[in-house]
Amino acid sequence: KQEVTQIPAALSVPEGENLVLNCSFTDSAIYNLQWFRQDPGKGLTSLLLIQSSQREQTSGRLNASLDKSSGRSTLYIAASQPGDSATYLCAVVRGETSGSRLTFGEGTQLTVNP
Amino acid sequence: GAGVSQSPRYKVAKRGQDVALRCDPISGHVSLFWYQQALGQGPEFLTYFQNEAQLDKSGLPSDRFFAERPEGSVSTLKIQRTQQEDSAVYLCASSLEGGRTETQYFGPGTRLLVL
Repeated sequence: KQEVTQIPAALSVPEGENLVLNCSFTDSAIYNLQWFRQDPGKGLTSLLLIQSSQREQTSGRLNASLDKSSGRSTLYIAASQPGDSATYLCAVVRGETSGSRLTFGEGTQLTVNP
Repeated sequence: GAGVSQSPRYKVAKRGQDVALRCDPISGHVSLFWYQQALGQGPEFLTYFQNEAQLDKSGLPSDRFFAERPEGSVSTLKIQRTQQEDSAVYLCASSLEGGRTETQYFGPGTRLLVL
């Protein structure tokens, strides 16, 4: 069974810092990995999607990397801002037998202090 | 529509009541997913539709949970004889064709509290 783990569970940083969120998964037979953002009381917003054949994706201040063989992904946020405060979730789509359902980690709750 | 919508946004039910949660996916999206998110946890898969066909219901926790999408657009998740452990946020997501390379677009969720 695929398990997805995110470390740390919570993180508090001052504005302007660069930071890294970690995600690990037990079964390397993934199809892709996605990072989502969840604001309180709201749904999930997709940030980045990395296909299994890719090593990284970038969008603005966000950069996500994927090391499929070691079962790890990182989300790098540059020059953090208070508006980045949210819960960040990583999720994987497994291989052939599981369709396109997402398996999520428990999330990292990020607070960026002004 | 502009995005995935869900209703109601909040639902309080007494234990034993039946509830129905509605999801309106993005217009034209073929695939629709339901997830359950307990407090402090990541979402967990419940079920998946491609058009009106329910292709995967392996995540439904018990036979009290039932989902349908009769015309291939709007979907309803029904929970019979609600229990306290059913309290969670129920998220709906849709994607254009359901392929593994596609992004799933999520609604705001329905927060269910069973007393």
